[in-house]
Amino acid sequence: RKEVEQDPGPFNVPEGATVAFNCTYSNSASQSFFWYRQDCRKEPKLLMSVYSSGNEDGRFTAQLNRASQYISLLIRDSKLSDSATYLCVVNRDDKIIFGKGTRLHILP
Amino acid sequence: DGGITQSPKYLFRKEGQNVTLSCEQNLNHDAMYWYRQDPGQGLRLIYYSQIVNDFQKGDIAEGYSVSREKKESFPLTVTSAQKNPTAFYLCASSGQAQSGAQHFGDGTRLSIL
Repeated sequence: RKEVEQDPGPFNVPEGATVAFNCTYSNSASQSFFWYRQDCRKEPKLLMSVYSSGNEDGRFTAQLNRASQYISLLIRDSKLSDSATYLCVVNRDDKIIFGKGTRLHILP
Repeated sequence: DGGITQSPKYLFRKEGQNVTLSCEQNLNHDAMYWYRQDPGQGLRLIYYSQIVNDFQKGDIAEGYSVSREKKESFPLTVTSAQKNPTAFYLCASSGQAQSGAQHFGDGTRLSIL
């Protein structure tokens, strides 16, 4: 089993819809978690950290479920500009692991 | 503006040639990283450095070398021993060592001639 797994997608979603991404991790010692956005042929950019209590930034909500070992990212009222690949990152003391990402296409 | 600058944006390597990718940051970050990304793949760690004059191998260090003589600079050399160097190379930095919260440069695309 891979240490960090994401559905590769692509997710094709109409504009205005709500999109949910999940990312599972296998090592229970993982300590911190992040979501990145990567546009085609560009560098990843940090979208948000994921806190135990869950956190929200505008249309974006991130949640952590330690018991089931997954993190999620919810995008509400999706925009065309949200089209990108979304990467989850899992951090433990000695390692940082990037998921392969989920591609999102927002359809007009 | 603070950030990370990678150069060149595109690089072509001939057989048997070593090439060096530049990475400079003015974020005053101690930790710096080099990743390789292949199409449809996640980022794989090549080397990282937590402090000047110190660096550690990542998951795929074979065929690569680095140096960290200055806090701001972390160049990566792709040696002729790396038989499949064609990839997108990304440099990153973080304020804390081994942090998943990283700032990335805009990458260098390396191809073989």
